[in-house]
Amino acid sequence: GQQVQQSPASLVLQEGENAELQCNFSSTATRLQWFYQHPGGRLVSLFYNPSGTKHTGRLTSTTVTNERRSSLHISSSQTTDSGTYFCAIDHNTGNYKYVFGAGTRLKVIA
Amino acid sequence: EAAVTQSPRNKVAVTGGKVTLSCNQTNNHNNMYWYRQDTGHGLRLIHYSYGAGSTEKGDIPDGYKASRPSQENFSLILELATPSQTSVYFCASGTGEQYFGPGTRLTVL
Repeated sequence: GQQVQQSPASLVLQEGENAELQCNFSSTATRLQWFYQHPGGRLVSLFYNPSGTKHTGRLTSTTVTNERRSSLHISSSQTTDSGTYFCAIDHNTGNYKYVFGAGTRLKVIA
Repeated sequence: EAAVTQSPRNKVAVTGGKVTLSCNQTNNHNNMYWYRQDTGHGLRLIHYSYGAGSTEKGDIPDGYKASRPSQENFSLILELATPSQTSVYFCASGTGEQYFGPGTRLTVL
């Protein structure tokens, strides 16, 4: 089945530093989404990005479909960025089923 | 953004008991999903639905049933709860982009 691997598994940053989170997947992604999970548990969609580059605020997502990888770049990190970031992939055009990676746990310290 | 709500938010159940988790969405999405998340892991798909009356097995359906009585509502049913089903359960709706509810923390004693 579809494999989704995220790296690093965890990351500690000093406030103001940048971060690059990686997502690699075993089959071509028809759909790809990045999520942020608050420390309290709430999941928030950051990007729906099956191909190309998207920006919002300090976040940039780049997906290279034919290389089966996506990245999430966080610039000028803040303590409020702390939490877990998940990549989710759907490689089937028919049934809209996502497979999630194990996540990257980010801690930003002041 | 789609509004997805779940109830209850927290539940303690006994082994062998029946548990029903409910999900409601107000944005008229055809597709709805139930996932579980275990400590330190990503989400795994239990059941999903393409619309009222439809339920499909996800990647880990054993021990769970689902019900989609209407476009808005999707329930996850544990007929005989076991301690291994202690987890946080998330409901989602949408197709290309999925929107998640706040989660239900279930503890089976």
